Amino acid sequence: AQSVTQLDSHVSVSEGTPVLLRCNYSSSYSPSLFWYVQHPNKGLQLLLKYTSAATLVKGINGFEAEFKKSETSFHLTKPSAHMSDAAEYLCVVTDNQAGTALIFGKGTTLSVSS
Amino acid sequence: DSGVTQTPKHLITATGQRVTLRCSPRSGDLSVYWYQQSLDQGLQFLIQYYNGEERAKGNILERFSAQQFPDLHSELNLSSLELGDSALYFCASNSVLTGELFFGEGSRLTVL
Repeated sequence: AQSVTQLDSHVSVSEGTPVLLRCNYSSSYSPSLFWYVQHPNKGLQLLLKYTSAATLVKGINGFEAEFKKSETSFHLTKPSAHMSDAAEYLCVVTDNQAGTALIFGKGTTLSVSS
Repeated sequence: DSGVTQTPKHLITATGQRVTLRCSPRSGDLSVYWYQQSLDQGLQFLIQYYNGEERAKGNILERFSAQQFPDLHSELNLSSLELGDSALYFCASNSVLTGELFFGEGSRLTVL
């Protein structure tokens, strides 16, 4: 069965320092993987997606993620955090074969201090 | 703007009551997903419809029901409401080609 685990429920960084949000997945098939961001009182917005093309995926707002099959990981990174990056981040795995199974991680809250 | 429309944005009601949340997917998308987001549970998948038919079911209570109409809009009905049903309810539709989900801005339900 598919599953996704976000290893940290809360990450705190200082503005200008790197961001690392960790996500591990389990899938019986070749997965598609997504990172979504949710700002307070807003809907979810897609940051980036991996769909079996390049393993290093670049998204919006300077975020990127690397798909590592051997480690079953899809960690989200950003070289330099901005205050506006403070939000909830959700890692999602989908089963390509079924095309309908969408599994969400429990989320990581990113706090950015000045 | 994701293209997914949800109404109402906010709803306050009392325990025991019934409410209906409405969602219109992006033009051309056939699937509608409903999610519940509460502080303690995070984002929980409730149910999915594809072209009018139920496709997948998640952690949806028996007091809750949904349907998708011929014009592809969907309604989520919540009945015999309890305090614990207070949450943000999201609707999403997805691209058949990429699987990417597009979310509405949510309907915030408060049960008093």
